[in-house]
Amino acid sequence: DAGVIQSPRHEVTEMGQEVTLRCKPISGHNSLFWYRQTMMRGLELLIYFNNNVPIDDSGMPEDRFSAKMPNASFSTLKIQPSEPRDSAVYFCASKRWGQQNQPQHFGDGTRLSIL
Amino acid sequence: SQQGEEDPQALSIQEGENATMNCSYKTSINNLQWYRQNSGRGLVHLILIRSNEREKHSGRLRVTLDTSKKSSSLLITASRAADTASYFCANGMGGSEKLVFGKGTKLTVNP
Repeated sequence: DAGVIQSPRHEVTEMGQEVTLRCKPISGHNSLFWYRQTMMRGLELLIYFNNNVPIDDSGMPEDRFSAKMPNASFSTLKIQPSEPRDSAVYFCASKRWGQQNQPQHFGDGTRLSIL
Repeated sequence: SQQGEEDPQALSIQEGENATMNCSYKTSINNLQWYRQNSGRGLVHLILIRSNEREKHSGRLRVTLDTSKKSSSLLITASRAADTASYFCANGMGGSEKLVFGKGTKLTVNP
């Protein structure tokens, strides 16, 4: 089975530009999570969806960040406008909703550098 | 912050030795999970222990859970160079799909 697929793997852009990160969860998984990982703050949950509906976006740092899940097989995380402090590795993870004793499955992340 | 803590932050051992990593958490939990992250890769699930369990084994991995102390430990026996990675604990909270991750232990196994 294919795992969680994220694109792009690396993104380098100048501050002020719009950045869109993409995620395809594992087929049949109906919970999707976006995380950000930095040395200083570790792994932070930004937002998660159940059945394409955002459930908890309390980790989204500010209005410059937005996330959508238009269907069960695709999600985006958008930063507009981007700032150097947004540089981090962004991970997407998925699992089956309602099965709390099941693990999350992670993609390999997008390494984002804002110059 | 609900974030837990792993201890130590970094651990360097020789191949064949055992590695023990500890984790403390702050909230009540449904389960406690351990993940591994190789450099440049995503997190990979290793083992899950439920709140009503005290010990669990999987291959060379042994996990313990002490809910009275809000702590867990991961033991890797007979370590190999391929075990070199960062290890994270994550607690699953009741009534939520969320996991709260610690900052991890960076393990280096020297051949």
